[in-house]
Amino acid sequence: SQQGEEDPQALSIQEGENATMNCSYKTSINNLQWYRQNSGRGLVHLILIRSNEREKHSGRLRVTLDTSKKSSSLLITASRAADTASYFCATAAYSGAGSYQLTFGKGTKLSVIP
Amino acid sequence: DSGVTQTPKHLITATGQRVTLRCSPRSGDLSVYWYQQSLDQGLQFLIQYYNGEERAKGNILERFSAQQFPDLHSELNLSSLELGDSALYFCASSAGGAGMLVTEAFFGQGTRLTVV
Repeated sequence: SQQGEEDPQALSIQEGENATMNCSYKTSINNLQWYRQNSGRGLVHLILIRSNEREKHSGRLRVTLDTSKKSSSLLITASRAADTASYFCATAAYSGAGSYQLTFGKGTKLSVIP
Repeated sequence: DSGVTQTPKHLITATGQRVTLRCSPRSGDLSVYWYQQSLDQGLQFLIQYYNGEERAKGNILERFSAQQFPDLHSELNLSSLELGDSALYFCASSAGGAGMLVTEAFFGQGTRLTVV
């Protein structure tokens, strides 16, 4: 089952604009991660935010986490055509027997128009 | 290059057949995860291994099985294949996952399975 649900499912913006994607989840988490996937290829890790953090930056990426609302957002500033990809949030949560499980949402498909 | 190697890259097989997908994790990573991605779908978690032991099971069909070997490579076996099993199958590895914090996961390029 999906733990995270991204919103919107698809987003189309002009180059130079900012893109914001949201993720909601259902259970308590240890951390939340964002990944990027270019068409049909493997996922690439972008950023990880721990449950005791509220905001994190990496280059043009800004991630926020609100554990009270069980939601996160990913902001990509000054978007480029090369940012066109699908973006997934993944939640790391305790799954029992001393294990943590990484569960992905369905993703947001971002198109940046040159 | 993520350091995770999956073979084969593409696989075409007939319904009813059995296939084995192979994954070599990143050097030093003890956790291996298998995911299935169907068209326009997110990643469905199938199963996780940590240092040779099964640690978590997701939406894995009984026709599917996996194992992690002493050298930490993993295999996903899919049997009695159906048309609906056509998908991208990803393997990922991470340093954590059992009794310790899950850090980032590194993904292979996937195996595209087509069942005809």
